[in-house]
Amino acid sequence: AQSVTQLDSQVPVFEEAPVELRCNYSSSVSVYLFWYVQYPNQGLQLLLKYLSGSTLVESINGFEAEFNKSQTSFHLRKPSVHISDTAEYFCAVSPYSGAGSYQLTFGKGTKLSVIP
Amino acid sequence: KAGVTQTPRYLIKTRGQQVTLSCSPISGHRSVSWYQQTPGQGLQFLFEYFSETQRNKGNFPGRFSGRQFSNSRSEMNVSTLELGDSALYLCASSLTGGGSQETQYFGPGTRLLVL
Repeated sequence: AQSVTQLDSQVPVFEEAPVELRCNYSSSVSVYLFWYVQYPNQGLQLLLKYLSGSTLVESINGFEAEFNKSQTSFHLRKPSVHISDTAEYFCAVSPYSGAGSYQLTFGKGTKLSVIP
Repeated sequence: KAGVTQTPRYLIKTRGQQVTLSCSPISGHRSVSWYQQTPGQGLQFLFEYFSETQRNKGNFPGRFSGRQFSNSRSEMNVSTLELGDSALYLCASSLTGGGSQETQYFGPGTRLLVL
C-alpha cells in the first residue's frame, strides 16, 4: 500500500516570490510520482510526473519537482509565482505495474494562494 | 479533441435515494477510473474499468458500483445515499491503462449534495 503526505495544507506567497510545496510518500514497492493542479471548480490537470531517469522534472509553466529516493520526497518548486498559479496542488503516487490496474493515491492537497 | 466529460455537473439528492453519474472518456481512451473528493478524506480511488471489466477497486462499500459500456463510456451508481456521500466525483480516462506511467486525464467532476 502507498500513502502520500503533503506537509502544508495552505501556502500563502507573494507574487514573484519563490515557493516550495512539500510531498513525502511511503510505499513498499517502487512508484511513479505525479503532481496535479486543480483550479477552482475544475477537475485535475497533470502538472508533471516522474517515471524514471533524471530526478529533476519540469513542467511547461515553470514548475519543477525533484525526486529524492532516500528521503522519499517529491517536492514541487517554482522560482517566481504568478497570480494565475493560485490553485490546489496534489501530489500522487502509483505503483509500478505492467498491463493492468491503474490506481493513484493522492495526498490531501496544498492550497497555494498568491498574494498580489 | 474533446476532453473527459461528466454529466450532470451538479446534483442534489436526499438520503436513501440512489444516483447515477456518467462519464465519457476522451475518444480512443479505454480505461476509466473514478475518484471521490471530499474535504475530510481528500481524493480517494473508487474503481477502474477497462474493456467493460472492473479491473481494480478501492475501499468503498458495495453501495458504490459502476459499469463500462462497449463505447468506453462509464457510469457509477450509488445506492441508499448517505450524507457522507456528498462529494465531488471525478472521472479520469487513459489510453489503455496498460501501465501506471500513463497519464490520466480528469473530467470537471460531478458535485453531489445529499440532504
